[in-house]
Amino acid sequence: KNQVEQSPQSLIILEGKNCTLQCNYTVSPFSNLRWYKQDTGRGPVSLTIMTFSENTKSNGRYTATLDADTKQSSLHITASQLSDSASYICVVSGYGGSQGNLIFGKGTKLSVKP
Amino acid sequence: DTGVSQDPRHKITKRGQNVTFRCDPISEHNRLYWYRQTLGQGPEFLTYFQNEAQLEKSRLLSDRFSAERPKGSFSTLEIQRTEQGDSAMYLCASSEEPRGFAYEQYFGPGTRLTVT
Repeated sequence: KNQVEQSPQSLIILEGKNCTLQCNYTVSPFSNLRWYKQDTGRGPVSLTIMTFSENTKSNGRYTATLDADTKQSSLHITASQLSDSASYICVVSGYGGSQGNLIFGKGTKLSVKP
Repeated sequence: DTGVSQDPRHKITKRGQNVTFRCDPISEHNRLYWYRQTLGQGPEFLTYFQNEAQLEKSRLLSDRFSAERPKGSFSTLEIQRTEQGDSAMYLCASSEEPRGFAYEQYFGPGTRLTVT
C-alpha cells in the first residue's frame, strides 16, 4: 500500500533555531515529492517540488533533500521565525497520471516560540 | 494569496441539508481539483477536472457528492443530505496541464464545513 509517513508529529522550537522534518514513503513507482506549508485554517502553499533525479532543492530558508533509494526526504528550516509556525505536509506522487496517486502525509505541526 | 478563491469560507449546516461550495481557480489553469481534509490529517483527493471534463473521481466521492465545472472556469461541489462525517475542510486547487513529471498545484483557502 502506498503510504507517506511524517515525523515528528509535532515539534516546538525556539525562534532562531534550526529544525529538520522527516518524510518516509513507500510509493512506487515514484515520480516526485513535494513539501507544502499549511497555516491553520488555510490551504497548503508549495515550498518545493523534487523529481526522482533531484537530491536537494532550496526555497529561501527551506531546504528539502531527497534520497530516492531509501525513500526518504527531509525539510530543513534554518533560523526559524515565528511565522514558520504551521503544519508541513509531505506529498508523494507516483506514476500513471492518476490524481489518486498523489499521496499526502498527515503533516508535522511546527510551533516556533519567542 | 495563491489566486485560487473559495466561497464560502465557513459553512454550518444541519444534518440532512444540502450544501454547495464554489471554487474559482487561477484563470489560465485548465485543471481543477477538489480535496477533503479532516482535523490532523493530510488532504485526500476527491475529484479533478480538465477544462469542463471530470476526469477522475475518488471512491471517497459517494453518490451524495457531485462536482461540476460547466464552462471550464469555476467549479461547484455539492453535498446532498449532509452527515456529521462530512464535517471537514474542503480544499480546491488548480494547475496548468502537466508538461513534465512535476507540476505546481495552487490551493485555495478552503471551505470549513460543520454539520451539526
